[in-house]
Amino acid sequence: YELSQPPSMSVSPGQTASITCTGENLGKKDTCWYQQKPGQSPVLVIYQNTRRPSKIPERFSGSSFGNTATLTISGTQTMDEADYYCQAWDSTTPYVFGGGTTVTVL
Amino acid sequence: EVQLVESGGNLIHPGESLRLSCAVSGVTVRNTYMSWVRQAPGKGLEWISIIYSGGSTYDAESVKGRFTISRDNSKNTLYLQMNSLRAEDTAVYYCVSMHYDVLSGYRYFEDWGQGTLVTVSS
Repeated sequence: YELSQPPSMSVSPGQTASITCTGENLGKKDTCWYQQKPGQSPVLVIYQNTRRPSKIPERFSGSSFGNTATLTISGTQTMDEADYYCQAWDSTTPYVFGGGTTVTVL
Repeated sequence: EVQLVESGGNLIHPGESLRLSCAVSGVTVRNTYMSWVRQAPGKGLEWISIIYSGGSTYDAESVKGRFTISRDNSKNTLYLQMNSLRAEDTAVYYCVSMHYDVLSGYRYFEDWGQGTLVTVSS
């Protein structure tokens, strides 16, 4: 099973960044999103497609439908510059990660 | 607070073996799903192995038959025995705890260690 993400994207401060993750019937699986800043370990930002951990800012949101899951960062800040990885799971799919998307805020 | 501290990373030659350890605090390994995730230099994340609370294990195809995940409940420590290492196994190896919701079954990688670097080179 494979998950595809765009390798990179850029967004202006204050604008909305939408990162896509595509896989066969992804909408029927549970998708998570992780943020990784340079030299740091990954941090969970979205789980179960749409749910946000309590420590994650409200500007992070997730959605999933069909073959695509999307991580949206509203009002992007410079501190959001990082690599973002989607990861999917269900009873028939091992814990596969997408290739990652580097988000540049400029 | 959950803390995961990996150790054992080193520079080794192709074909050799290495064992990684992960000292766990704040959670009991025998009651938790624990996993190893690796990241090759400049590359993305790759899940490689998991041990469930019941003791069963599951490995990615890329390491099946070469790597073995295990735990020592008395030491609250997770291990990864790596045999027949190859250059493509060069990576930072992260020890990760998984949150698992018993009612709905959803799960996610919750806490991550700082990682330990394994370099396989002749």
